[in-house]
Amino acid sequence: AQTVTQSQPEMSVQEAETVTLSCTYDTSESDYYLFWYKQPPSRQMILVIRQEAYKQQNATENRFSVNFQKAAKSFSLKISDSQLGDAAMYFCAYRTMKTSYDKVIFGPGTSLSVIP
Amino acid sequence: KAGVTQTPRYLIKTRGQQVTLSCSPISGHRSVSWYQQTPGQGLQFLFEYFSETQRNKGNFPGRFSGRQFSNSRSEMNVSTLELGDSALYLCASSRTLRSTRTDTQYFGPGTRLTVL
Repeated sequence: AQTVTQSQPEMSVQEAETVTLSCTYDTSESDYYLFWYKQPPSRQMILVIRQEAYKQQNATENRFSVNFQKAAKSFSLKISDSQLGDAAMYFCAYRTMKTSYDKVIFGPGTSLSVIP
Repeated sequence: KAGVTQTPRYLIKTRGQQVTLSCSPISGHRSVSWYQQTPGQGLQFLFEYFSETQRNKGNFPGRFSGRQFSNSRSEMNVSTLELGDSALYLCASSRTLRSTRTDTQYFGPGTRLTVL
């Protein structure tokens, strides 16, 4: 069974600085998706960035980028120029490509605080 | 395009009662998934529906059930409520069941269920 681990329950960053959130996963599959979701205090889950496992190039979305290391099964999120609005719970998630087992597995989350 | 909507947003019930939660997916989305979020267990997959059929189910007791209508709206039902069922219930929709290269799950704001 697939599992997703986030070893940092809480992290903090100074406004305008850069922070990296860690995520590791375990799977025997070769093709899958990885996601980072953000859940602000209002509780609406928002997709931050996604990565297809077959792509070697790391995904980037504005200030958000990932470091995808497939062999190491590592998927970290880098937030550059941190803003107060980045404060939230961040979930790393895995989704299989198998059509008969189509669900998302979430890590336990990392609570990010942004210090003004 | 309107996002995923969930009703009601807050619900208070007592042990032994039953509850029905509703989810309206994004227009054009045919797949609806349900998740339970608690501080202790994190985000756990409940089930997924596509074309009015349950396609995948998580490890929850039979007290948790759901259905999907022809317009893709989905309901989940919890019977004989227990204190441990207190949680945020999140609904997510995506266009298809299959994990296509461009498919992504979009989440609703959730229903906060409190069981007394």
